[in-house]
Amino acid sequence: ETGVTQSPTHLIKTRGQQVTLRCSSQSGHNTVSWYQQALGQGPQFIFQYYREEENGRGNFPPRFSGLQFPNYSSELNVNALELDDSALYLCASSLGTSETDTQYFGPGTRLTVL
Amino acid sequence: EDQVTQSPEALRLQEGESSSLNCSYTVSGLRGLFWYRQDPGKGPEFLFTLYSAGEEKEKERLKATLTKKESFLHITAPKPEDSATYLCAVQAWGNYGQNFVFGPGTRLSVLP
Repeated sequence: ETGVTQSPTHLIKTRGQQVTLRCSSQSGHNTVSWYQQALGQGPQFIFQYYREEENGRGNFPPRFSGLQFPNYSSELNVNALELDDSALYLCASSLGTSETDTQYFGPGTRLTVL
Repeated sequence: EDQVTQSPEALRLQEGESSSLNCSYTVSGLRGLFWYRQDPGKGPEFLFTLYSAGEEKEKERLKATLTKKESFLHITAPKPEDSATYLCAVQAWGNYGQNFVFGPGTRLSVLP
C-alpha cells in the first residue's frame, strides 16, 4: 500500500463532456504527478505539481489541466473529452525534496469515453 | 527527444530460470532511472531508483544495474508471483520543466 488513493475507480463519459478525477497523496508529499496509461502501453506523463504550482508538463493539450491543494489532494480535469482519452489515469506522489524524486502510484481511475 | 525502450516485449520463463530485462534510454540530463512492476489493472509498484552509471541495487530476487545508456533488471530464480509487467522510467529536465518518460514495459510470465 502506497497511501495514495484515487477516485472514482471507474468512470464512463461521452465525447465532448468534461471530467474531474481526484487523488489523495501521502501525507507530507509535496509533489503530485498525473499520468495517462492506454491499454498495453507504459504511462505517459501529463504534468506535475509542486506545492500547488505546475513545475513540469508532458505533451498534452491545454484541455488537460490540474489543481493541487494544501491538504495533499489534487485534481485532473479534462475538457471536451475525445474517444482517445479512454485510458487508466494514474496519480503519483513524492516528497519533492530532491532533484531525483521517487514516485509512489495510486491504483488509478479507469476512464471510458463513448 | 527523451526516449525509453524496453526489451523483450514479453518473456516467458520456467520457475527458477534466471534472465534479464533491458531498458535503453536517450535523455538529456538524466536525473534518475526507476523500475516499477505493474500487475493488471493496478498502479505501478516502486522497485528501484538508480542515479548514476555503475550503480546497482538489489531486492530479493531482483537486481537492477545502470550504465550510461541502459539499465538491466536481473531476475534470479524467479517464482510465479514475479509474473507482472516491468516498467522502466527516466526523470529528466524537459522543455516544460520536469519530465518523466516511461518505456512500454516487459510482460513477464513465470510458469510453475
